[in-house]
Amino acid sequence: DTEVTQTPKHLVMGMTNKKSLKCEQHMGHRAMYWYKQKAKKPPELMFVYSYEKLSINESVPSRFSPECPNSSLLNLHLHALQPEDSALYLCASSQALGYGYTFGSGTRLTVV
Amino acid sequence: AQRVTQPEKLLSVFKGAPVELKCNYSYSGSPELFWYVQYSRQRLQLLLRHISRESIKGFTADLNKGETSFHLKKPFAQEEDSAMYYCALVLSGGYNKLIFGAGTRLAVHP
Repeated sequence: DTEVTQTPKHLVMGMTNKKSLKCEQHMGHRAMYWYKQKAKKPPELMFVYSYEKLSINESVPSRFSPECPNSSLLNLHLHALQPEDSALYLCASSQALGYGYTFGSGTRLTVV
Repeated sequence: AQRVTQPEKLLSVFKGAPVELKCNYSYSGSPELFWYVQYSRQRLQLLLRHISRESIKGFTADLNKGETSFHLKKPFAQEEDSAMYYCALVLSGGYNKLIFGAGTRLAVHP
């Protein structure tokens, strides 16, 4: 298995809802990442997990809450989002420095 | 500050023409550079990494530390090369943090 799998592919949620995005990889990668990509813009880093511990939080608002239950799974819990949070949320994993990241296909989130 | 600059938002060429997508970086450490490609409605894919010095789909990129550049080149563009191309830099220090340039859209016309 050489892929990063993200579910759901699409999500529409209200501003008072609570939802979660899920990411899974079985490549043995020990670093996992959440990125946010707005239309026609490059991906922007949100969080970095290394060996299941949060290493970097790029000053992301607390309405986004990451979780890494084990080395294969990464979740992003969403609560009280704003319409401007609508974007493509990408998960990625990496083996080590110099190998690049493997990206999932993303969850397209719409906040109404 | 660490930065990746892709000066062209759009590069439009005809099939068979040479292509060069420019990328410049600013980084005080030893750079690890990559090119990623995003085809329409597909996931972001790793195209090239500078340490491997490989050629993928006819594309090559050479790291020039003197000019702090990592331009992507292909001698003869194909229509299927039309996509969004991102140059990316890994910031080391134990976290393997990847930052992207703004991207260049390559449009190859028949």
